[in-house]
Amino acid sequence: GNSVTQMEGPVTLSEEAFLTINCTYTATGYPSLFWYVQYPGEGLQLLLKATKADDKGSNKGFEATYRKETTSFHLEKGSVQVSDSAVYFCALRHRGSTLGRLYFGRGTQLTVWP
Amino acid sequence: GAGVSQSPSNKVTEKGKDVELRCDPISGHTALYWYRQSLGQGLEFLIYFQGNSAPDKSGLPSDRFSAERTGGSVSTLTIQRTQQEDSAVYLCASSLELAGEQFFGPGTRLTVL
Repeated sequence: GNSVTQMEGPVTLSEEAFLTINCTYTATGYPSLFWYVQYPGEGLQLLLKATKADDKGSNKGFEATYRKETTSFHLEKGSVQVSDSAVYFCALRHRGSTLGRLYFGRGTQLTVWP
Repeated sequence: GAGVSQSPSNKVTEKGKDVELRCDPISGHTALYWYRQSLGQGLEFLIYFQGNSAPDKSGLPSDRFSAERTGGSVSTLTIQRTQQEDSAVYLCASSLELAGEQFFGPGTRLTVL
């Protein structure tokens, strides 16, 4: 079946630190991969995506590379800010009969201190 | 409207009561999705609607859960005979087409006492 596993939080960092949130997936075929972010009091927002192997998604200084060989899509940012404090969700969407649904990881809470 | 809206934002109910949660998708979006976010289960898919096609109900956890989408726009998620384990945040999303980017609403927090 399809599933996503991401590192458990919470993750606490100082401002300007390097961030990595690990995400691995299980899926048949070649899914599309996503990172969503949920800021405090707000709805889920798409942060970045990649639709095929070796694609790199990027947005707001965050990056993630679709690695088929390791079935991973780790989220990275070189220098985090206090405003990056949020919950981050890794997700996949399969291209088969379940095209419409997203499969989410459990989320990783990130807190950045000044 | 500018985005997906959901109502109510919070709902407290007693065990055994029925509840209805509403979702207004972005105008023109043909696909609409319901997810549930709970401490124990994370974010899980419930159901989606695409145009006039039969909905994918494969994620509904029991027959107490049902959803409809009237006129291809507004959707209502109904939970009958609520149980404490139904307590969660219910999220609605819509997309222009089935494979398109999903835009999420702010959610309805349901608490079953």
